[in-house]
Amino acid sequence: QKEVEQNSGPLSVPEGAIASLNCTYSDRGSQSFFWYRQYSGKSPELIMSIYSNGDKEDGRFTAQLNKASQYVSLLIRDSQPSDSATYLCAVNLNSGGSNYKLTFGKGTLLTVNP
Amino acid sequence: DTEVTQTPKHLVMGMTNKKSLKCEQHMGHRAMYWYKQKAKKPPELMFVYSYEKLSINESVPSRFSPECPNSSLLNLHLHALQPEDSALYLCASSQAGTAAYEQYFGPGTRLTVT
Repeated sequence: QKEVEQNSGPLSVPEGAIASLNCTYSDRGSQSFFWYRQYSGKSPELIMSIYSNGDKEDGRFTAQLNKASQYVSLLIRDSQPSDSATYLCAVNLNSGGSNYKLTFGKGTLLTVNP
Repeated sequence: DTEVTQTPKHLVMGMTNKKSLKCEQHMGHRAMYWYKQKAKKPPELMFVYSYEKLSINESVPSRFSPECPNSSLLNLHLHALQPEDSALYLCASSQAGTAAYEQYFGPGTRLTVT
């Protein structure tokens, strides 16, 4: 069974701190990795995509990918209370033959305390 | 602002009703998706349309019937649903249906089956 696993959380950080969210995946052939943010009662919102090993920065967000270790992470710098949400890691996993589908981890609930 | 729209936002239906969920995207994407999300769970893929053809059906019961009238529109026809089908139904779109590309979600339809 091909899987995406995330820290179960919840993760609680003080305002202004760095929040670190981690994800591992089982399919070495995966090429595309995404982080979504989902507020309670809302739909997932894409915040980062990463395709190559290394770091990718976008404002306060940094995604890190290590394909050899099958590990992807999201760092949120200067965390704000508005960052409090569930963060979903998503990976394109092979679902048989040439078919790939986006597979989500169970999500990590982040709470940023003022 | 999302460029994937869904109607209705909320739907309550009885087990003998027939209803439809609608999705429209304005991003020129050629792949569209239906996901189902239960509370505190990640989205689960139901169907993928690529270039207006059904490419993936995740063994979804026949009481759910998808339709893609054109590259911008996606419908999900519902008939004889069960209470356990109550969930948030999410539509998404992407450049193509290989899961390698970023998927953008609509706001969802919250469905309650009574």
